[in-house]
Amino acid sequence: NAGVMQNPRHLVRRRGQEARLRCSPMKGHSHVYWYRQLPEEGLKFMVYLQKENIIDESGMPKERFSAEFPKEGPSILRIQQVVRGDSAAYFCASSPRMNTEAFFGQGTRLTVV
Amino acid sequence: GESVGLHLPTLSVQEGDNSIINCAYSNSASDYFIWYKQESGKGPQFIIDIRSNMDKRQGQRVTVLLNKTVKHLSLQIAATQPGDSAVYFCAENPTGANSKLTFGKGITLSVRP
Repeated sequence: NAGVMQNPRHLVRRRGQEARLRCSPMKGHSHVYWYRQLPEEGLKFMVYLQKENIIDESGMPKERFSAEFPKEGPSILRIQQVVRGDSAAYFCASSPRMNTEAFFGQGTRLTVV
Repeated sequence: GESVGLHLPTLSVQEGDNSIINCAYSNSASDYFIWYKQESGKGPQFIIDIRSNMDKRQGQRVTVLLNKTVKHLSLQIAATQPGDSAVYFCAENPTGANSKLTFGKGITLSVRP
């Protein structure tokens, strides 16, 4: 049973470009969460999705950030017009249901130059 | 505001000794707690969890203790090994918070040979 798969592992973007981060949850998991981690800090919740639905996006910046989890395919975190402050590690986690252990992927490290 | 915090930023222990990592939380509505281990360049790895209707839970070489009276969580690692060196995070999930976790800042465990 493969774990949570994220790609790419490393992503470099110039200011103003778009970043697309992908997450394939574990088999049988329909709940996906995105977190952001700045250096030497804990993870900050961004968004919680189930198939085709955004359940909680209270941690998402109001502009430039969006997330989706389509019926088919991976979950996508999209950052438009990236700025240097977007540089961070972005982690995806999945779980089979609410309030149970969530398993994390290896993360995508975004660097904006 | 609500927060989850760790008392010490670093902990150094001798190989073979027991380690105790402490965590304070402030949201009395939290009913689910998880300890994660994160190695450099990797995603958080689930260690152990506990629900608010319990005060102790044991795993393989690890024990989590929950004191709801003082809002305190601890992780005990028996016979600490070099492979235990990592950053440890406690995370809480408030009731009704749609499974989004609030993470503490993390504590670095360093095991001396």
